[in-house]
Amino acid sequence: AQKITQTQPGMFVQEKEAVTLDCTYDTSDQSYGLFWYKQPSSGEMIFLIYQGSYDEQNATEGRYSLNFQKARKSANLVISASQLGDSAMYFCAMREGYNTDKLIFGTGTRLQVFP
Amino acid sequence: DTEVTQTPKHLVMGMTNKKSLKCEQHMGHRAMYWYKQKAKKPPELMFVYSYEKLSINESVPSRFSPECPNSSLLNLHLHALQPEDSALYLCASSQVRTGGTQPQHFGDGTRLSIL
Repeated sequence: AQKITQTQPGMFVQEKEAVTLDCTYDTSDQSYGLFWYKQPSSGEMIFLIYQGSYDEQNATEGRYSLNFQKARKSANLVISASQLGDSAMYFCAMREGYNTDKLIFGTGTRLQVFP
Repeated sequence: DTEVTQTPKHLVMGMTNKKSLKCEQHMGHRAMYWYKQKAKKPPELMFVYSYEKLSINESVPSRFSPECPNSSLLNLHLHALQPEDSALYLCASSQVRTGGTQPQHFGDGTRLSIL
């Protein structure tokens, strides 16, 4: 069965610095996708970035990028030039299987950006 | 602004009340989801509708009753809830079974408190 592990319950970063949030996964599927979501204290889950298992390049979306290491089964989120508004909970997720709509989530990392 | 709209944003109800949570999306998605999220935890899947038919019920108690009247709307009917049901309820939508390549898009959630 698929499993997502986020080992950092909390992270601190100074404004304008880069930060890496860790995510490792376990799956027996050859084709899969990994998602990162941001959840501010207001509650909404905001989709940030997606990485497909067959994508040759690491995904990037603005200040967000994925450090995807398939052999190590890790998909770490890198946030560059952190802003105060980046303070939030961040979840890594993947579908439970190829032919299902069910997402499984990691336990999340709370990021706090300080001035 | 999120493309998935949930109402109400906050709801306080007694254990004997009947209420409904509503979710609407106009992205043409044919899969819709209800999640329950307790504080500092990842979202837990409750129900999945695919093409307006219930496809996944994660053994949710019958005091929660989902309904999908059409492809844009998803309701969650609540009756005789318990204090432990107090949580953030998130609705999401996505394309159906894309092999894990498309994200789920979430609403802002309804914060439910059971007195």
